[in-house]
Amino acid sequence: QSALTQPASVSGSPGQSITISCTGTSSDVGDYNYVSWYQQHPGKAPKLMISEVSNRPSGVSNRFSGSKSGNTASLIISGLQAEDEADYYCTSYTSSSTWVFGGGTKLTVL
Amino acid sequence: QLQLQESGPGLVKPSETLSLTCTVSGGSINSRSYYWGWIRQPPGKGLEWIGSIYYSGSTYYTPSLKSRVTISVDTSKNQFSLKLSSVTAADTAVYYCAKAVRPRYYFDYWGQGTLVTVSS
Repeated sequence: QSALTQPASVSGSPGQSITISCTGTSSDVGDYNYVSWYQQHPGKAPKLMISEVSNRPSGVSNRFSGSKSGNTASLIISGLQAEDEADYYCTSYTSSSTWVFGGGTKLTVL
Repeated sequence: QLQLQESGPGLVKPSETLSLTCTVSGGSINSRSYYWGWIRQPPGKGLEWIGSIYYSGSTYYTPSLKSRVTISVDTSKNQFSLKLSSVTAADTAVYYCAKAVRPRYYFDYWGQGTLVTVSS
């Protein structure tokens, strides 16, 4: 299985909104609403930010939201803050009963 | 509060078998509602799902590692384990254990990760 495709990097200024895309296939992203997003700060374990395409776990800021269209899912971060600077990963459950991660996106807050 | 903790050797020789254990505390591993998984991250690179196990013992592995990976569960010790055989330097990574919610398939709890270096 191939990794999901994410942009290597995105950037934005404080207060702005950014979108990180995650493109898969009809066997993963396009087949299920089981896309989740994780935030990872340097030296730390990943943290769940969005589950099942657009569900935000308790404790996660409402500045984080998710969506999906066809084989592409998106993570939207509004009102960028310095603390949002991190790596972000998408993952999807697949039709082979496996999971596949995206390559990761480095978010820089300018 | 559920906690996961990886343990095992931090250094493994090439061609040998990497063995790690994840101890789950604050909850039972013997649940129909969860999968238990291993994810790794080579230095400076992205996350890679290795495999997952259900409490019943059913296992699921990433195709690229399937021939070398074994994941098992010990419900009496509330632990699950990873064995990766014939390791090379390319298997050097931080290895995370994590819990996935069934049937929603997201990882909501993660261990802190443990660095395993493959070197002679």
